[in-house]
Amino acid sequence: DAGITQSPRYKITETGRQVTLMCHQTWSHSYMFWYRQDLGHGLRLIYYSAAADITDKGEVPDGYVVSRSKTENFPLTLESATRSQTSVYFCASSDGGNTIYFGEGSWLTVV
Amino acid sequence: RKEVEQDPGPFNVPEGATVAFNCTYSNSASQSFFWYRQDCRKEPKLLMSVYSSGNEDGRFTAQLNRASQYISLLIRDSKLSDSATYLCVVNIAGGKLIFGQGTELSVKP
Repeated sequence: DAGITQSPRYKITETGRQVTLMCHQTWSHSYMFWYRQDLGHGLRLIYYSAAADITDKGEVPDGYVVSRSKTENFPLTLESATRSQTSVYFCASSDGGNTIYFGEGSWLTVV
Repeated sequence: RKEVEQDPGPFNVPEGATVAFNCTYSNSASQSFFWYRQDCRKEPKLLMSVYSSGNEDGRFTAQLNRASQYISLLIRDSKLSDSATYLCVVNIAGGKLIFGQGTELSVKP
């Protein structure tokens, strides 16, 4: 039972480095999402995608880049990591129905 | 102003209490609404969808008021296991799913 997987689960990186968080789903869901979660802010939408090759900005897109060349993958890249991007990142997918399925999260620390 | 706003927490209640959470959204074109539950910063999980006519699932009741752009969740007979963060989620349009900041519930013996 694969589902949706994120990697790496834990990452420490230095300010200014490029970091890519991977997200893979096995259901062929059309929608995929990236959220970040910080204390006091809940989950904030970074980017989402309605289908392969279609991506849209969410609430907090600055400093992030996404791509969706294949339906099952939705990588998130921090082009030049900053300390303010230290967070827990959740990837999610949906078939457009009622349920969003989340990955287990990627804990990123930028030092 | 955030597109989806929730009551600030935490809510500390005794077992058996009834507790209500509120959520407001700003985009009148919002299409669908949900409550999710999150434990200790693990991945959120669907608790229930919210329908215009209101819906109930055991001890949980969800209500939607489109005119006031307001969603609520009522938990009756609270259990220790209900302790968690409850997240209001709104499909703004075209699949854009926005979360409220969450309301923390702590149920005490």
